[in-house]
Amino acid sequence: DQQVKQNSPSLSVQEGRISILNCDYTNSMFDYFLWYKKYPAEGPTFLISISSIKDKNEDGRFTVFLNKSAKHLSLHIVPSQPGDSAVYFCAASSGAGGKLIFGQGTELSVKP
Amino acid sequence: DVKVTQSSRYLVKRTGEKVFLECVQDMDHENMFWYRQDPGLGLRLIYFSYDVKMKEKGDIPEGYSVSREKKERFSLILESASTNQTSMYLCASSPGYNEKLFFGSGTQLSVL
Repeated sequence: DQQVKQNSPSLSVQEGRISILNCDYTNSMFDYFLWYKKYPAEGPTFLISISSIKDKNEDGRFTVFLNKSAKHLSLHIVPSQPGDSAVYFCAASSGAGGKLIFGQGTELSVKP
Repeated sequence: DVKVTQSSRYLVKRTGEKVFLECVQDMDHENMFWYRQDPGLGLRLIYFSYDVKMKEKGDIPEGYSVSREKKERFSLILESASTNQTSMYLCASSPGYNEKLFFGSGTQLSVL
């Protein structure tokens, strides 16, 4: 049973436009959500996180939105740059267990 | 700077061999994790450890075991490698619950 789902395997965006990556979860106990970025042949690197007490968190070009009632979070990248081309994973955890559960990933391609 | 080091970037083994994947972190983190990444499946948790000599099964522990004799070192063991264990293996560490994970660069294991 996939508790964290990224339903879009890939996304293609023009440079300078907005990229929106989506993630859905099923476990209402999740209270901490993160986005990771992964280049080929490298480990994932942390991008941005959000606690369940918030509905938005910004860091430069990256903004994460959390909709708890819909059990949905999204990552917005504005403006998108070719260097943003990578696989993006969303992840969630609950304080009770602490382990991170990852989605399947979305491969973002930003075209010049 | 935070550092998680995996001993090998690429590894080729034969079916039935015993395989050791080593991971070392230099951040004095309590928690360590082993994930595998497969296309379309995202990152799946194999085993994790919250303390020295402690281990917990993740979502896909079958065919694997782990060892944590020292705080900084977490080893993943494939007792008898099989072709379906061909994958990218990622080690990670974190300072505590609901904290972001720091990943190593990964080991691409091929079992022939």
